Amino acid sequence: GQQLNQSPQSMFIQEGEDVSMNCTSSSIFNTWLWYKQEPGEGPVLLIALYKAGELTSNGRLTAQFGITRKDSFLNISASIPSDVGIYFCAGRTSGTYKYIFGTGTRLKVLA
Amino acid sequence: NAGVTQTPKFQVLKTGQSMTLQCAQDMNHNSMYWYRQDPGMGLRLIYYSASEGTTDKGEVPNGYNVSRLNKREFSLRLESAAPSQTSVYFCASSEALGVGNNEQFFGPGTRLTVL
Repeated sequence: GQQLNQSPQSMFIQEGEDVSMNCTSSSIFNTWLWYKQEPGEGPVLLIALYKAGELTSNGRLTAQFGITRKDSFLNISASIPSDVGIYFCAGRTSGTYKYIFGTGTRLKVLA
Repeated sequence: NAGVTQTPKFQVLKTGQSMTLQCAQDMNHNSMYWYRQDPGMGLRLIYYSASEGTTDKGEVPNGYNVSRLNKREFSLRLESAAPSQTSVYFCASSEALGVGNNEQFFGPGTRLTVL
């Protein structure tokens, strides 16, 4: 089935560093969602984006809806140990209930 | 509000056994979804229910059935479990299409192993 290309697959960073990850699709989306999943838990919604070019922040997290509507980016500033987890993007086209999910970026923060 | 709840949290089955995974939401959402999550595969949609009384197949429906019992509850049934159905199962809910922004909220998951 169709999936988003999410990169990188994994990242090992030092505490305090900034993090960037992105998702790209062959389809045009009208909604992008970013989730975080911790071990043994369900995905938790971090940021939702609805318009091309939109830039939205949630604390140290900032996400952007790409102007081509085929990509989205998530940045985490000044990472801390509790940022550890898997970050997923999800995109949806107009008129459908179905979201397509990326395969996730696994983030590890070294103190 | 509890959000989306799922039971059981863990389950081990033998091949051929049946079971039902339960999901309930208290956010008054119209739409509900069942996903499975496998390593390296992301989340894949099994079935969804756009509104009470309707269900539709998702990307990987084979071997599963669903029931939208009422607006709050959406169950997933494995009639004859197979080892390929070993996975983590997530239920999610959202407002109806065209109402609000259709963001999906997830439950904590059911970890199923089929021997």
